[in-house]
Amino acid sequence: QKEVEQNSGPLSVPEGAIASLNCTYSDRVSQSFFWYRQYSGKSPELIMSIYSNGDKEDGRFTAQLNKASQYVSLLIRDSQPSDSATYLCAVTTTYNNNDMRFGAGTRLTVKP
Amino acid sequence: GAVVSQHPSRVICKSGTSVKIECRSLDFQATTMFWYRQFPKQSLMLMATSNEGSKATYEQGVEKDKFLINHASLTLSTLTVTSAHPEDSSFYICSARDSSGSRRETQYFGPGTRLLVL
Repeated sequence: QKEVEQNSGPLSVPEGAIASLNCTYSDRVSQSFFWYRQYSGKSPELIMSIYSNGDKEDGRFTAQLNKASQYVSLLIRDSQPSDSATYLCAVTTTYNNNDMRFGAGTRLTVKP
Repeated sequence: GAVVSQHPSRVICKSGTSVKIECRSLDFQATTMFWYRQFPKQSLMLMATSNEGSKATYEQGVEKDKFLINHASLTLSTLTVTSAHPEDSSFYICSARDSSGSRRETQYFGPGTRLLVL
């Protein structure tokens, strides 16, 4: 089992819709959770970090964490074509010196 | 937000030459930096973890004698690809971990270096 799993997609949504990206992780003692966005040919950029169960909102983005079920999700409201990118889920745990483990990423396409 | 720079952004070299890539954290100190490689349409692959003042830790399958890492200060890590070959052509990305309490181990990425070995 991979440490961090994501649906590779592609996920396609129409402009203005809500895009829902999901991520599961295998290590129960994982502590910190991150979502990165990577445009084609560019390096990843941090969108959200979340550390506690529940929802965290930042503009059009909402991260949701459920440690009991070991999943973290990212919702993008009012999706725009400029949101089209690959979204990487990342998790850190204390046992491996806080090294960050990445999912393979979900490719999102927002169609005008 | 935290800024990480990488230099050069793009390099083309002949087979057999060595290439050095610099990664700098501009507004925070990073005791730990990471080097990744990404081939087209593939996910990030961690190559090594660079710790300031100590030897780097390499992932399985990554040759430490080919990919030399130096982390001499809290803001600078370098990756040298020695005797580069065409199969080393890739997108190399560094990240720096901000260990300050408010940022809780967040990694910030540099813009990447695209290496093409002819």
